[in-house]
Amino acid sequence: GQNIDQPTEMTATEGAIVQINCTYQTSGFNGLFWYQQHAGEAPTFLSYNVLDGLEEKGRFSSFLSRSKGYSYLLLKELQMKDSASYLCAVRDTGFQKLVFGTGTRLLVSP
Amino acid sequence: IAGITQAPTSQILAAGRRMTLRCTQDMRHNAMYWYRQDLGLGLRLIHYSNTAGTTGKGEVPDGYSVSRANTDDFPLTLASAVPSQTSVYFCASSDSSRTNTGELFFGEGSRLTVL
Repeated sequence: GQNIDQPTEMTATEGAIVQINCTYQTSGFNGLFWYQQHAGEAPTFLSYNVLDGLEEKGRFSSFLSRSKGYSYLLLKELQMKDSASYLCAVRDTGFQKLVFGTGTRLLVSP
Repeated sequence: IAGITQAPTSQILAAGRRMTLRCTQDMRHNAMYWYRQDLGLGLRLIHYSNTAGTTGKGEVPDGYSVSRANTDDFPLTLASAVPSQTSVYFCASSDSSRTNTGELFFGEGSRLTVL
């Protein structure tokens, strides 16, 4: 089976930096994804890590340590529009299925 | 506009009724998925299909069935709806032939209320 843990809720200030952590315990591993989901909308893809290290994409970066079963999503220069839920998901080695964590709700205040 | 279309967007249904949620994609993705999203539980996989003609069970398949007659369509059927199936349902697809990401693309969701 698979277990994915991330904080339920975080708050931050506009312009700041926030790090959202995700730990996982899985029987198989073929990549870790981060998705963003605004309230009432569909999840949208943010980042993908399959090898250890940092992947940077504009204001967003994602880090993976496979030996520690750990990832984080780093959001820089926070904007109000970054208020959303951030979903960590691990891909099984078998059928390309993604298993999602329960998500971290981020609230950005002025 | 390329993507995934779900229908209906929202539906209120009496318990015991049969309901089919429709999902169509025009990206020619080989894999398709149905997830349900509930507060505090996140997205949970109901059924999936790796290619037309094949389907598989996810984490919470009971009470649901799917079919994949062709590449584009992946309907989800509730044979006899129960109140615990009240949820937001997301259809998704991916191109699992890509080895770099194979990320999921989601439809806009179908909000189902079973009374």
